[in-house]
Amino acid sequence: SYELTQPPSVSVSPGQTANIACSGHELGNKYVCWYQQKPGQSPVLVIYQDNKRPSGIPERLSGSNSGNTATLTISGTQSMDEGDYYCQAWVSGVWVFGGGTKLTVL
Amino acid sequence: QVQLVESGGGVVQPGRSLRLSCAASGFSFSTHTMHWVRQSPGKGLEWVAVISYHGTDKYYADSVKGRFTISRDNSKNTLYLQMNTLKPEDTALYYCARDALVITGHHEFDYWGQGTLVTVSS
Repeated sequence: SYELTQPPSVSVSPGQTANIACSGHELGNKYVCWYQQKPGQSPVLVIYQDNKRPSGIPERLSGSNSGNTATLTISGTQSMDEGDYYCQAWVSGVWVFGGGTKLTVL
Repeated sequence: QVQLVESGGGVVQPGRSLRLSCAASGFSFSTHTMHWVRQSPGKGLEWVAVISYHGTDKYYADSVKGRFTISRDNSKNTLYLQMNTLKPEDTALYYCARDALVITGHHEFDYWGQGTLVTVSS
């Protein structure tokens, strides 16, 4: 079965750039989306189709996808960006999530 | 505004059954593919099942295939998940989620409910 791999945790200083990677076989050939989940809350779609932002999502969140790796980039990271981030892809009729990355803003 | 409200969770013994519901409002429910996604305590997200807008196409994760059945009633704007032969590893917060296909052309989940907790324990 297809797997998406994410680092368990990423730490960043306020105002710096955070990069969260998601890797999978030939992932660049698939569309990837990203969800943010804060403690006690439901997931929220923050990036879809590799690099599109839903309305209301700040421009400092961006995405890319090439080769075997998709990346969520958060520029000028703020404390409100802390939470868990999950990548997701649709693969052969199955929806696959990455294991999630906990973003800490130190 | 779009709202998805799950219900039906609870504590159930292994081997027993439970039916979850998800009441949808604020959008045209009958035109959207819908999903169930679960999250075990302290763990990540796991896709469970999907049903097409008309209810005829259904697909399941291997972990629940043969035990869970997804269905919908478009006249009631409600999504269901019938869970049979429950196992302790089915313990999770179960979310319903809307598929954005008719809006974006792709299968991301653009709205999620707040979830309903299922605990399988003797």
